[in-house]
Amino acid sequence: TQLLEQSPQFLSIQEGENLTVYCNSSSVFSSLQWYRQEPGEGPVLLVTVVTGGEVKKLKRLTFQFGDARKDSSLHITAAQPGDTGLYLCAAGAGSYQLTFGKGTKLSVIP
Amino acid sequence: DTAVSQTPKYLVTQMGNDKSIKCEQNLGHDTMYWYKQDSKKFLKIMFSYNNKELIINETVPNRFSPKSPDKAHLNLHINSLELGDSAVYFCASSHPRVYEQYFGPGTRLTVT
Repeated sequence: TQLLEQSPQFLSIQEGENLTVYCNSSSVFSSLQWYRQEPGEGPVLLVTVVTGGEVKKLKRLTFQFGDARKDSSLHITAAQPGDTGLYLCAAGAGSYQLTFGKGTKLSVIP
Repeated sequence: DTAVSQTPKYLVTQMGNDKSIKCEQNLGHDTMYWYKQDSKKFLKIMFSYNNKELIINETVPNRFSPKSPDKAHLNLHINSLELGDSAVYFCASSHPRVYEQYFGPGTRLTVT
């Protein structure tokens, strides 16, 4: 079973600060996804990256897939309280299976 | 419009009881999943069905039995509930051979 290591596990920052969350593995993946989960809700897909070195932007969120397709990062610029949530990375482990990291719990304080 | 829905949202029951959780998706997806999220928020796959056929059955006690009456529905029946079954259970769906998954709102199961 491939393992996805996410860091940091917890992050508490002030509104307006920047932050980066990391997702690392020793395995190579065909694609990697980031989800955000808010309390009492299911995870919601933010982005899928498939090409080594790929960078995708979603407003203030920037996602990068490592050149070797083993790791990814999520950078948030000028964090807002609405960014608060659990950020999960997930990678394909077969035709129908996703492996999830343990998540980064982000709190943005107004 | 609700894409993936689950019922009930909350389920509190005693040890030894049998309970079911229902899931429905209106996205036209062929593949559906059940996940368990523990108290530390770790999300782990339990089962996957493609077009009503079981594809993935992770190491899950046989007290858990999924059933897919049609492509839009995947239910989870749990027999002889144990304290360790307390968790949030998520249903999800996707197109076949596509990793992007759409999750339901979850069912918080508490076994006392």
